[in-house]
Amino acid sequence: NAGVTQTPKFQVLKTGQSMTLQCAQDMNHEYMSWYRQDPGMGLRLIHYSVGAGITDQGEVPNGYNVSRSTTEDFPLRLLSAAPSQTSVYFCASSYLPGGDYGYTFGSGTRLTVV
Amino acid sequence: AQKVTQAQTEISVVEKEDVTLDCVYETRDTTYYLFWYKQPPSGELVFLIRRNSFDEQNEISGRYSWNFQKSTSSFNFTITASQVVDSAVYFCALTLGGGSQGNLIFGKGTKLSVKP
Repeated sequence: NAGVTQTPKFQVLKTGQSMTLQCAQDMNHEYMSWYRQDPGMGLRLIHYSVGAGITDQGEVPNGYNVSRSTTEDFPLRLLSAAPSQTSVYFCASSYLPGGDYGYTFGSGTRLTVV
Repeated sequence: AQKVTQAQTEISVVEKEDVTLDCVYETRDTTYYLFWYKQPPSGELVFLIRRNSFDEQNEISGRYSWNFQKSTSSFNFTITASQVVDSAVYFCALTLGGGSQGNLIFGKGTKLSVKP
């Protein structure tokens, strides 16, 4: 049982480049979400999904796309990277958000856009 | 709309001191769930506790205790006899629990530094 796996752990991009942050979970969780963490800002929701084929925007969706073709995978795409997207990104999943353990988080991806 | 406020940005204590981290939340819903997560310097997010809105019992787990008061919309976290290993950023979070309301809403976190 690997939990939530995020790849890569670190990435440096040039402005304008695109890339996909991968997130996979093996717990058969319906809920998955992406957060970004910036100093002094806590974690802010980018996009989320309540099941395969269903996605929606969170608080800070601009510049990001997601898709959920399977229950296990929830990739986050940066369309044209900007320095403002320099951040630490966390993927999370949950069987029941209000349940005993809430969300399980991946170990994070530290992204730098130069 | 829901909101979580952690007014203490940084706290510094000396080992063995007790410390309380404050969390105030806002929601109009009667059913909600509150969480505390710990983020050590290594960066991962570690689940500490979950409390639902119908259970106002305080909880103690070793040196950690949580005080949930609906009357003041607070869910405070106390570490007794702090240790250097408690140094981390602590986040309080809220969810309404389901559907499009199932996402976690985080406070901005409190950075705790415990000095030897």
